Amino acid sequence: GAVVSQHPSWVICKSGTSVKIECRSLDFQATTMFWYRQFPKQSLMLMATSNEGSKATYEQGVEKDKFLINHASLTLSTLTVTSAHPEDSSFYICSARDHLAGWGETQYFGPGTRLLVL
Amino acid sequence: AQSVTQLGSHVSVSEGALVLLRCNYSSSVPPYLFWYVQYPNQGLQLLLKYTTGATLVKGINGFEAEFKKSETSFHLTKPSAHMSDAAEYFCAVSDPRGSGNTPLVFGKGTRLSVIA
Repeated sequence: GAVVSQHPSWVICKSGTSVKIECRSLDFQATTMFWYRQFPKQSLMLMATSNEGSKATYEQGVEKDKFLINHASLTLSTLTVTSAHPEDSSFYICSARDHLAGWGETQYFGPGTRLLVL
Repeated sequence: AQSVTQLGSHVSVSEGALVLLRCNYSSSVPPYLFWYVQYPNQGLQLLLKYTTGATLVKGINGFEAEFKKSETSFHLTKPSAHMSDAAEYFCAVSDPRGSGNTPLVFGKGTRLSVIA
């Protein structure tokens, strides 16, 4: 089946530093990837939609200068949290859609990245 | 706009009992429907989905769901709960008229506890 990986799975950083999270589709090509944020015991909140070779589309209220998204290839999207602060601590999850399967098909989710900013 | 309502943020069942997790949606057209499961500190795993065709959909781990257009529902069931079913379950919808950029709309999730 389709597999999406994320790296790292855990990251602890100091306030003010930047953190990069990678999302890879391992056995399929993903024209579109989505980035979500999840707070404890809550649902997923869509942050942005990432399209290969173009600028990401951010949801209202998400700072595009703080959460930099790059989707340089059909198998890799990155989320960089710039100048991280404790309130950015969260669980970040990406998902990818197999563009060959047609848009209505499943989104495959990565295992998530737990970010803790001290 | 589409929305998803999951009735009950927490459901507790005994091992071997029926599992019923409720999902109702709001959409101007019949949407595509999904159920995902999330184990602690992990991403989401697809349990099952409905796009077209047979309204009773069977998924992994013995789960199934039935799309009922008249009730705008897509409830998830499993005849006999197992301890390993304890997890968070999310119902999601997407607009069949959308494009590849159309994201899923998630419900708030239901935490399933299974009591021995």
